Amino acid sequence: GEDVEQSLFLSVREGDSSVINCTYTDSSSTYLYWYKQEPGAGLQLLTYIFSNMDMKQDQRLTVLLNKKDKHLSLRIADTQTGDSAIYFCAEVPGAGSYQLTFGKGTKLSVIP
Amino acid sequence: DVKVTQSSRYLVKRTGEKVFLECVQDMDHENMFWYRQDPGLGLRLIYFSYDVKMKEKGDIPEGYSVSREKKERFSLILESASTNQTSMYLCASSPRGADGYTFGSGTRLTVV
Repeated sequence: GEDVEQSLFLSVREGDSSVINCTYTDSSSTYLYWYKQEPGAGLQLLTYIFSNMDMKQDQRLTVLLNKKDKHLSLRIADTQTGDSAIYFCAEVPGAGSYQLTFGKGTKLSVIP
Repeated sequence: DVKVTQSSRYLVKRTGEKVFLECVQDMDHENMFWYRQDPGLGLRLIYFSYDVKMKEKGDIPEGYSVSREKKERFSLILESASTNQTSMYLCASSPRGADGYTFGSGTRLTVV
């Protein structure tokens, strides 16, 4: 069945790069997403990548997709304390589907 | 700015009460979703709806029901609240197709 896996915790120093990893199982996934959840808030869409792309860059964010290994990563350059949050990876499993499957989320802690 | 609005940020209810959680979106989205979020378990889908008066069970529908009488409103109902329904509840909406979800800010429900 479909499953999205992420490590639960990541700790980095302010100014360093953060890399959050995600693996998924559905090879027919069309879109993959990264969401950010700040404490006490809902989820906010950060970025997404279409399955025929290898990389997408948006300011400090870089998304890398390795479709062969079903591996997705989110790199945050020059990590700031405001980046401390939970980051969720999500996929749309299969063409014609609109229902997202979420990972359990990676809690990013930024040390000043 | 597009919005998904959840009527309450915090709710405290007694065991056995009937509880209504309301969600309204102003984006004319077809799809609406209710999730609960618990530490270590990530987001779990309770119910979703892809059209007015349509509803589908998610992964954990037991103890819940939903209502979608109008396109913009999706209500989650706890028929008889129990302490194991203490959680953060998140509503989301999306258009047809895989454009990602827009989330509300969440309702933290405590059942005592």
